[in-house]
Amino acid sequence: GAVVSQHPSWVICKSGTSVKIECRSLDFQATTMFWYRQFPKQSLMLMATSNEGSKATYEQGVEKDKFLINHASLTLSTLTVTSAHPEDSSFYICSARGLAEQETQYFGPGTRLLVL
Amino acid sequence: GQNIDQPTEMTATEGAIVQINCTYQTSGFNGLFWYQQHAGEAPTFLSYNVLDGLEEKGRFSSFLSRSKGYSYLLLKELQMKDSASYLCAVMDSNYQLIWGAGTKLIIKP
Repeated sequence: GAVVSQHPSWVICKSGTSVKIECRSLDFQATTMFWYRQFPKQSLMLMATSNEGSKATYEQGVEKDKFLINHASLTLSTLTVTSAHPEDSSFYICSARGLAEQETQYFGPGTRLLVL
Repeated sequence: GQNIDQPTEMTATEGAIVQINCTYQTSGFNGLFWYQQHAGEAPTFLSYNVLDGLEEKGRFSSFLSRSKGYSYLLLKELQMKDSASYLCAVMDSNYQLIWGAGTKLIIKP
């Protein structure tokens, strides 16, 4: 159990385009989903926390207008990188947590974004 | 402030035992998690401790002392596939995960 999927697994796009990444909890309901970014050989960096049916909470320094998050259902959250630039190239990972706040976060396999 | 400390890198020999330590200072405590992350992949959940003591799960065990703000992950009978980064994370009073920087474990034959 506790499987989280992400799509696409990798994407290459031109600078200025927008990219949408989907995160799905396949066998449990996720009240809360988290979006992380990780640059090579660096730690996970939490970008934002999204709760189903409400606006996402962004970490300091993360532009909410650039990284749009929608948590439309208890099994789906999307991250849209708008007007992507080469510096946005990174490994984006989502995680999902069940209905109780103290439950374990389970990670999706991640999405590699390369902006040319 | 909130702080999680763990060694940056450790080296061990195949078949041996290694202990990865984690100390923490957080605002509140709702449990401590260990995750494994292979290079280029997302983290996978290993263990969760919320009460003091040792939790054993196969070759991996995790220990917690809340009074000392200390945990360790013990890996036995090391295999080459155990080469990875091991992330310690503490859930604070707001149920937010505070992440350590990770310990890169290198296994040598």
